[in-house]
Amino acid sequence: DSGVTQTPKHLITATGQRVTLRCSPRSGDLSVYWYQQSLDQGLQFLIQYYNGEERAKGNILERFSAQQFPDLHSELNLSSLELGDSALYFCASSAGDRGGYGYTFGSGTRLTVV
Amino acid sequence: GEDVEQSLFLSVREGDSSVINCTYTDSSSTYLYWYKQEPGAGLQLLTYIFSNMDMKQDQRLTVLLNKKDKHLSLRIADTQTGDSAIYFCAESGVRMDSSYKLIFGSGTRLLVRP
Repeated sequence: DSGVTQTPKHLITATGQRVTLRCSPRSGDLSVYWYQQSLDQGLQFLIQYYNGEERAKGNILERFSAQQFPDLHSELNLSSLELGDSALYFCASSAGDRGGYGYTFGSGTRLTVV
Repeated sequence: GEDVEQSLFLSVREGDSSVINCTYTDSSSTYLYWYKQEPGAGLQLLTYIFSNMDMKQDQRLTVLLNKKDKHLSLRIADTQTGDSAIYFCAESGVRMDSSYKLIFGSGTRLLVRP
């Protein structure tokens, strides 16, 4: 157990639907990062939050949004889902906003859009 | 730009040494990392090296960094079947948007033959 908790582990939904992925960072970590892992795109950085504020944005689609709450857990919202959104979504956390000593990853949420 | 490249596949015999290579493009990289991903699991940080170091050894793992050539390698001594996994190289540094997000390579799948 890495200390980063992601729920749910698996999600199957239909095109056009909206889902919410949840992440609880490791105790004491203030940064949360979201990554998408697909077979053809590898690990793509989506977004980072640090202590409730957006810190960095990557290749995140406009249909996707995220937030970090006062208790530091984070949610990634995916809407108007398409088949191509099927992927593993990872959350990671680090103590500071620079992740110098590396991120701690959760076990991921596998999203299947049918 | 920021790019990290790795070879896709490596096959070794149990007991041999494995060497996984990685090249990166960002001159401002400050930390470089090796992560391991086993099937169905998240990414596990194996080791990291600061950019002003040439080498780091941690039990069976040896990391070599050639900053001039922007080349990073991971050597696993006495490779075991349990080492079979995907290995990701990643680097961090100040990005153009002032963030420090990690950029990952596409991963090298290591297969250890008995």
